[in-house]
Amino acid sequence: KAGVTQTPRYLIKTRGQQVTLSCSPISGHRSVSWYQQTPGQGLQFLFEYFSETQRNKGNFPGRFSGRQFSNSRSEMNVSTLELGDSALYLCASSLGQGGADTQYFGPGTRLTVL
Amino acid sequence: AQSVTQPDIHITVSEGASLELRCNYSYGATPYLFWYVQSPGQGLQLLLKYFSGDTLVQGIKGFEAEFKRSQSSFNLRKPSVHWSDAAEYFCAVGALFSNYQLIWGAGTKLIIKP
Repeated sequence: KAGVTQTPRYLIKTRGQQVTLSCSPISGHRSVSWYQQTPGQGLQFLFEYFSETQRNKGNFPGRFSGRQFSNSRSEMNVSTLELGDSALYLCASSLGQGGADTQYFGPGTRLTVL
Repeated sequence: AQSVTQPDIHITVSEGASLELRCNYSYGATPYLFWYVQSPGQGLQLLLKYFSGDTLVQGIKGFEAEFKRSQSSFNLRKPSVHWSDAAEYFCAVGALFSNYQLIWGAGTKLIIKP
């Protein structure tokens, strides 16, 4: 089975722009979770989608949004980028709800905001 | 607030020596417990997990972890480390209080001395 894929792998944007990141889960997995990883804050949970519905949401501003499609692929959008949004964004998929099941992680998208 | 603590930010171990990475959580009931490893520039890989049953859990790459309810701990161990074990290790907890959203420790960076 193919693993979790994330595109693009690297992205450079400037402040004020918006960005969309994509995640394709393992075939058959219905849950997709997104995380932000930075050296200072560690792994921070953004949100989880299960069968196209947002199940959990972390403590991030409304500039961060996501969605999940019927084929379980997920996208994450960040609008009005700030310098502090520079981070590694990780996507993870699982069969059942994340946190109660094993999550499989993609390689991440490295976002740099200039 | 519920939390996961990995008290050691860095640990340096000689190749061939034994390893123990500590993880403590604050939560009244037994949660789901995970250890993940992240190599530089990579996503996270599951080492092992505890849901219920035998409190000594075997994982991949020769790792094991022991759940101790009385100490609210889930420490990771390996009898003999290899240079390839150099990475960052994360403990995570999923429980009903967080709607099974994973709560992550800050991570422990393992450095191997030749």
